[in-house]
Amino acid sequence: DQQVKQNSPSLSVQEGRISILNCDYTNSMFDYFLWYKKYPAEGPTFLISISSIKDKNEDGRFTVFLNKSAKHLSLHIVPSQPGDSAVYFCAASEWTNAGKSTFGDGTTLTVKP
Amino acid sequence: DAGVIQSPRHEVTEMGQEVTLRCKPISGHNSLFWYRQTMMRGLELLIYFNNNVPIDDSGMPEDRFSAKMPNASFSTLKIQPSEPRDSAVYFCASSLRGTGRGYGYTFGSGTRLTVV
Repeated sequence: DQQVKQNSPSLSVQEGRISILNCDYTNSMFDYFLWYKKYPAEGPTFLISISSIKDKNEDGRFTVFLNKSAKHLSLHIVPSQPGDSAVYFCAASEWTNAGKSTFGDGTTLTVKP
Repeated sequence: DAGVIQSPRHEVTEMGQEVTLRCKPISGHNSLFWYRQTMMRGLELLIYFNNNVPIDDSGMPEDRFSAKMPNASFSTLKIQPSEPRDSAVYFCASSLRGTGRGYGYTFGSGTRLTVV
């Protein structure tokens, strides 16, 4: 049972346009959601997070939206830059198991110049 | 801070051999995680420690896998005997307990293990 799902393995966008990466989850006990970015031959790097009590969190070009009723979150990157090309992982953690995050399979974003 | 340091970066070993992966977490971090990444299963948590104590090892695939954290600055993941299906990238990550949920983990660069 995969509790965190990223249904799009890849996404390609033009430089300057918006990138939207999606993530769905099934466990209603999750209370924090995170996005990580990963370049080849490196470990994932934390990007942005959102608490379940919020529906939006913004950090520069990156905004995460949370729809609890739909158990869905998305990461918006505006404007997209070629350096954003990477694998993006969605992750979730639950308050009952505060140290543990469950990751999605990742979406490969390619931003074309 | 040098970040989370993993060694070796690459390991090629023969089936049946013992393999030991090493991790040095960020100083001051008291939670440590071992993840494995494969094409088939994605990023899966193997085990994590809080204050050097194993909290959840339900992700450890079988008895061939063992992990230790003898002190706050060092952890090992051992596979004995290794099998070709253990080939993967193994990541170590650390965080301050309780903050990882909102502030994320810091990952090392990973160890790419190939068992032939």
